[in-house]
Amino acid sequence: GEDVEQSLFLSVREGDSSVINCTYTDSSSTYLYWYKQEPGAGLQLLTYIFSNMDMKQDQRLTVLLNKKDKHLSLRIADTQTGDSAIYFCAEEYGGSQGNLIFGKGTKLSVKP
Amino acid sequence: NAGVTQTPKFQVLKTGQSMTLQCAQDMNHNSMYWYRQDPGMGLRLIYYSASEGTTDKGEVPNGYNVSRLNKREFSLRLESAAPSQTSVYFCASNEGANSYEQYFGPGTRLTVT
Repeated sequence: GEDVEQSLFLSVREGDSSVINCTYTDSSSTYLYWYKQEPGAGLQLLTYIFSNMDMKQDQRLTVLLNKKDKHLSLRIADTQTGDSAIYFCAEEYGGSQGNLIFGKGTKLSVKP
Repeated sequence: NAGVTQTPKFQVLKTGQSMTLQCAQDMNHNSMYWYRQDPGMGLRLIYYSASEGTTDKGEVPNGYNVSRLNKREFSLRLESAAPSQTSVYFCASNEGANSYEQYFGPGTRLTVT
């Protein structure tokens, strides 16, 4: 069945780049997503990429998609302490844009 | 716009008790979802409602029932709570087909003793 895998923890120093990696299984996903969850809050869409793109840049965020290897990554440049959160990768369930399968989340800790 | 609201924020139940988690959205969205989040498990879909009047099972529906009361409201019911249902429950909504962003509520933290 569909599955999304990502590492559980990442620790970086303030000002460094963070790279969070994800592998997914459903090749019919039209979009792939990164959601962010701050402590005690619900998830919020951070960015997404259309499946026929290789890269998407949005200010400090760069999303890379390797469709052949079903690998998605999120790079955060100049990481700040406010970026400390849990980041979830998500694919679409059965090709439906509304239904998502989430990874377990990567907890990003940013040290000053 | 309040977005997606959930009540209650916290709840403690004894094994066997029942309760209903409430969710409402004011964005005129067609689709609504219930997830549970457990440590190290990410979010898992319990039930969803693609449109008013329809509901479907997600990945982990056992032990739960849902009602799409109207377009705004989607409730989740635990008929006989079990300790395995201790979790944080999130409701989400989106416009529906061809809409990529889900909007999440703040969550309900449920403990079953």
